[in-house]
Amino acid sequence: GAVVSQHPSWVICKSGTSVKIECRSLDFQATTMFWYRQFPKQSLMLMATSNEGSKATYEQGVEKDKFLINHASLTLSTLTVTSAHPEDSSFYICSALPAGGLADTQYFGPGTRLTVL
Amino acid sequence: AQKVTQAQTEISVVEKEDVTLDCVYETRDTTYYLFWYKQPPSGELVFLIRRNSFDEQNEISGRYSWNFQKSTSSFNFTITASQVVDSAVYFCALSEGYNKLIFGTGTLLAVQP
Repeated sequence: GAVVSQHPSWVICKSGTSVKIECRSLDFQATTMFWYRQFPKQSLMLMATSNEGSKATYEQGVEKDKFLINHASLTLSTLTVTSAHPEDSSFYICSALPAGGLADTQYFGPGTRLTVL
Repeated sequence: AQKVTQAQTEISVVEKEDVTLDCVYETRDTTYYLFWYKQPPSGELVFLIRRNSFDEQNEISGRYSWNFQKSTSSFNFTITASQVVDSAVYFCALSEGYNKLIFGTGTLLAVQP
């Protein structure tokens, strides 16, 4: 149980285009989802916290207009990287917190590798 | 502010050796959770353990064991009789309010055959 999927698993795009990444909780409902970014050989850095039906909360230094997050249902959150540039190339990981379940145990997706040319 | 320090950036051992990965944390919260995750080359994070701040009992799971010492703010992870499949990056993490996770910088473990 507690499976989280991400789609796509990898994507290559041209500079200036927008890319949408989906995060789905497959067998549970998640009122809260998190988006992380990981640069090569570095740690995971939280970008934003996404709550179903409300606006996402962004961490300091993360541009909310560039990284659009939508959490429209209890099983789906999307991250859209708008006008992507090479410096946005990274590994993006989402996690989901089960509604009504054990607090502080997030289930992680497999990640999406974004390469911007 | 909350912080997690993994001072060992890389460790290399030979198969069957025991290895301990260090984790030191800082927090002002009295209630918090500590985690260890494994990240193999595929990138997917694998959950290993979750420990709350009120439970200092050490835990053993097969070849894995964890030592939680509140007095020194440490939560160390030991792999006994390491295997090549243990090669990965290991992250220690601390939960902050609202379930935010603060990750350490990770330790790359290379187990040589």
